[in-house]
Parts: sequence; structure tokens; C-alpha cells
Amino acid sequence: QSVLTQPPSASGTPGQRVTISCSGTSSNIGSDAVSWYQQLPGTAPKLLIYSNYQRPSGVPDRFSGSKSGTSASLAISGLQSEDEADYYCAAWDDSLNGPVFGGGTKLTVL
Amino acid sequence: QVHLVQSGAEVKKPGASVKVSCKASGYSLSTYYMHWVRQAPGQGLEWMGVIYPSDGGATYAQKLQGRVTMTRDTSTSTVYMDLNSLKSEDTAMYYCARVAKYFDGNGYPHYHFDYWGQGTLVTVSS
Repeated sequence: QSVLTQPPSASGTPGQRVTISCSGTSSNIGSDAVSWYQQLPGTAPKLLIYSNYQRPSGVPDRFSGSKSGTSASLAISGLQSEDEADYYCAAWDDSLNGPVFGGGTKLTVL
Repeated sequence: QVHLVQSGAEVKKPGASVKVSCKASGYSLSTYYMHWVRQAPGQGLEWMGVIYPSDGGATYAQKLQGRVTMTRDTSTSTVYMDLNSLKSEDTAMYYCARVAKYFDGNGYPHYHFDYWGQGTLVTVSS
């Protein structure tokens, strides 16, 4: 049982826009920034979004993040086949004194 | 460029110990905290703990307290994660991940994992 709640799956067709939600509490998302990670099959996670909406260099602007209260969202516009992956949200938790993760969302490009 | 290179796959029997290494290059090990995160087959990410390379201190997830030890060797820019009394439930991919700090508009720091190792598969089986 993950501390942050994500839908287990999401899907879309090429070119569509999809969003993935991440829900937490006042001790994690409500009090700290959210980061998002993309994990392609058989590889390590890769940083996609940090500090709620910042993109590292090299990440396409098709990926965007937002946060409101104790929830956050990752949006992917202009969906491409190579976006098929697992996506994880994360935030630091004050009560656990460490980072917590969502259970991951498997994105399928139909 | 930053690279985190981990040691190879391990197969261990229940009750044994495993030591996984993570060699950092492209930056000074002492300037960033290093975390360990594991992922059981088909499951999500689980935080294990963090080592502070500058002084060797560490903080562990409560679930693993007493079974996990994280150390570092600054001369080789390598951090280690030692897990003992292995159980079948410890079968997982183990990742080291560097933490970066970002200051928001109010000057408040926030953290995220900016670089990850390639992972080390640890299989616990009799």
C-alpha cells in the first residue's frame, strides 16, 4: 500500500492529452513539492518533473506538472508511442522523515 | 556527466546478507545525499534510506531498521547498501539515487532524485 495514491492505469491514442493524478496528505504533498518519474520497461526511473512543474533539460515540454493542495497531476500532451511507461509521483513526508512514492500508473498508448 | 554504476546481480539464500555498491562519477560524492530505493517484481518504488557522504551518517526507513546499513568510501566515490537476514520478500531491484536540492521562490528547499543507478537485482531463494 503506497502512501501516495495514483490510478493503476491510464491510456490514450497518439496525439491525445492524458493526465495522471497523485493524491496525498498534508504531511507530504500538502507541505512539500512533487516530483514525477518515468520508468520505461526494464530500465531505472528517470526524472521527468521536479518542484511540482519544473522540467529538467532534455524533457520535452509535452510533459507538464501541477499541484493544488494535497494533490498533483502530470499531463502529457501530443501522446507518442514512446511515452508508454510507468509513471511515479513522489514527495517528501514530514512525519516519515523521508520520501514517499505513489504506486505507479501504467500508461498505454493505444 | 553524472553516472551512478551499480554492482551486478546477486542470488542469496534466506538468512544471508547482500552488499550492493554504487560508484559515482562526474561529481564530488560528498556534495550530494545518496538514497537507496527498491522495487519488488511488478511493484512500485520503496524508499530504504539515505546516506550523507560528507560524514557517513545515515537514516533508514523504519521498516528496515536493524537490517540495513549504508556506508561510503570517499576515496573511491562509492556508496554501499548492506542488507542482512534476507527473506524472500527482499527479492527486488535495488537502485541508488542521488538527491538534488531546488529552492523555490520563497527560498524553501525541495528535493528530488535527479540521477539513478542502473539497478541491481537481488534474488532471495532457497
